[in-house]
Amino acid sequence: NAGVTQTPKFQVLKTGQSMTLQCAQDMNHEYMSWYRQDPGMGLRLIHYSVGAGITDQGEVPNGYNVSRSTTEDFPLRLLSAAPSQTSVYFCASTKKGTVNEKLFFGSGTQLSVL
Amino acid sequence: AQSVAQPEDQVNVAEGNPLTVKCTYSVSGNPYLFWYVQYPNRGLQFLLKYITGDNLVKGSYGFEAEFNKSQTSFHLKKPSALVSDSALYFCAVRDGGDYKLSFGAGTTVTVRA
Repeated sequence: NAGVTQTPKFQVLKTGQSMTLQCAQDMNHEYMSWYRQDPGMGLRLIHYSVGAGITDQGEVPNGYNVSRSTTEDFPLRLLSAAPSQTSVYFCASTKKGTVNEKLFFGSGTQLSVL
Repeated sequence: AQSVAQPEDQVNVAEGNPLTVKCTYSVSGNPYLFWYVQYPNRGLQFLLKYITGDNLVKGSYGFEAEFNKSQTSFHLKKPSALVSDSALYFCAVRDGGDYKLSFGAGTTVTVRA
């Protein structure tokens, strides 16, 4: 059981480049989400999804797109990278609305935008 | 809008002493409250949660948290801290009618031997 898998672990981009951060889970979780972690600011929600075909914005969605075509995958796309998007990105998933609700996190992607 | 405040950036305690990490929250509906921990160079792990029921919640690694509705607080506690408890701790909240989970800024705990 792999849990939540994120790729890549590290990435360096130039300003204006685009890329996709991959996230996959094998636990049949309906809920998936993307967070960014910045020093002193905790984890901020970028986008989330409560099921295939359903996505919604979090606290800091600008500059990011998501889609959820399958239950397993929830990729995060940076359309035109900016230095302000330098951060550590975490994908997380959970079973929706159960007594066992808890987020399972991926190991993170450290992104630098130059 | 929901929010979480962790008023202390850092907490320093000696091994064997009680550890408390503070958290206050704001939601419009019923709060679902969580604590997560991030050990150095590792991902985030779930510690415990409060959804309903007993105000004192017990979790992993000997941690517990007390839900106080009147003070809108959910402080994390451990009776006797270990050096291995040194980590970054996050409090999180969501409104029971929503699925957005909001995190606090985090509190760095350092336990000295």
